[in-house]
Amino acid sequence: ETGVTQTPRHLVMGMTNKKSLKCEQHLGHNAMYWYKQSAKKPLELMFVYNFKEQTENNSVPSRFSPECPNSSHLFLHLHTLQPEDSALYLCASSQDEASGVAEQFFGPGTRLTVL
Amino acid sequence: GQNIDQPTEMTATEGAIVQINCTYQTSGFNGLFWYQQHAGEAPTFLSYNVLDGLEEKGRFSSFLSRSKGYSYLLLKELQMKDSASYLCAVKDSNYQLIWGAGTKLIIKP
Repeated sequence: ETGVTQTPRHLVMGMTNKKSLKCEQHLGHNAMYWYKQSAKKPLELMFVYNFKEQTENNSVPSRFSPECPNSSHLFLHLHTLQPEDSALYLCASSQDEASGVAEQFFGPGTRLTVL
Repeated sequence: GQNIDQPTEMTATEGAIVQINCTYQTSGFNGLFWYQQHAGEAPTFLSYNVLDGLEEKGRFSSFLSRSKGYSYLLLKELQMKDSASYLCAVKDSNYQLIWGAGTKLIIKP
């Protein structure tokens, strides 16, 4: 595997379900990100981990819970979601957070539908 | 507040040139990025500007004017595969990327 991978690619869940999204990067990067992408809206940064430490939490509801066990893996645990949480969830990584030139590399995303 | 503005949609003809503009108002500036995103796929990095001027990379060029809070992405010799959304993003003083909503570019034969 190369780059940034995400599983599952598609997920349909009910509002009472608990599920987890997984992201893995094979680039040796130190920073990892979760974004939410809704149609015709800017990418919304949800969480940032830099050297496994959470550095940003942009007022994300507690029904989203991130986990970063090491610098290569990132999870997003989901529980009691709402239909408005339906979106594309993108994972990204970069060399580190506080480097101007370091671009972010994105995974293919998980298309989440909440019924 | 922080804001990135870019047109919602543009249409151009195969073989032509198109310029996609981006204006920004952010707290601090640590560089501007352009990404390409094909429908249903991940965004991919196109260019990075931190100093004023033009950066050329093959058929794509990106321009930055920090004093005007303005950038553009120039695509030459358009091909059908260039049909995609183009995302402008600025790194603010906290090195956080602030994203525009993207410009959907439609290429017609």
